[in-house]
Amino acid sequence: KAGVTQTPRYLIKTRGQQVTLSCSPISGHRSVSWYQQTPGQGLQFLFEYFSETQRNKGNFPGRFSGRQFSNSRSEMNVSTLELGDSALYLCASSPAPGDNTEAFFGQGTRLTVV
Amino acid sequence: GQNIDQPTEMTATEGAIVQINCTYQTSGFNGLFWYQQHAGEAPTFLSYNVLDGLEEKGRFSSFLSRSKGYSYLLLKELQMKDSASYLCAVRDPNDYKLSFGAGTTVTVRA
Repeated sequence: KAGVTQTPRYLIKTRGQQVTLSCSPISGHRSVSWYQQTPGQGLQFLFEYFSETQRNKGNFPGRFSGRQFSNSRSEMNVSTLELGDSALYLCASSPAPGDNTEAFFGQGTRLTVV
Repeated sequence: GQNIDQPTEMTATEGAIVQINCTYQTSGFNGLFWYQQHAGEAPTFLSYNVLDGLEEKGRFSSFLSRSKGYSYLLLKELQMKDSASYLCAVRDPNDYKLSFGAGTTVTVRA
């Protein structure tokens, strides 16, 4: 079956702009989690969505937001981009919350803010 | 809060054994995960420990001691393709959220 698909793979934006990233989970998976990965910081949890509802939120400012659609696809949005937002953004899908052993990651979107 | 520590880098020779340690101090515990991430690729699940002891899966084994807040991932018979970053993550019992360490980059040399 198809894996987790994230689009776009690469993105360059200017400070102050906003960006929307997309994640299509594995068919049948209803939970989507988003992470920010930077060198030295590892993966930092952003938020998790299940059945179109945000279940959890990490310690990120309100500029980071997300949503999930009825087909389980998820988007995350970052507004008023800052240089420090440059990172690899990963999403992971699983059948349901807590099914981490069945979770699969996408290849990520590499965002560069200039 | 969550504090998960692992070494930044390790180097080993092809055919050898490498042990990657992970120590954690977290507000709760509901399992420890190891992931492998090759450069430019998605992290992939390697192992899961929730009870103390050793879990073996082929060339890879993972150990957990909950009382010590300690885990290790053991890679045996190293191959060049094992060169990657290895991520340790602890799951929160209340919301199942994963907290990750910064990752250990393993370089396998011929």
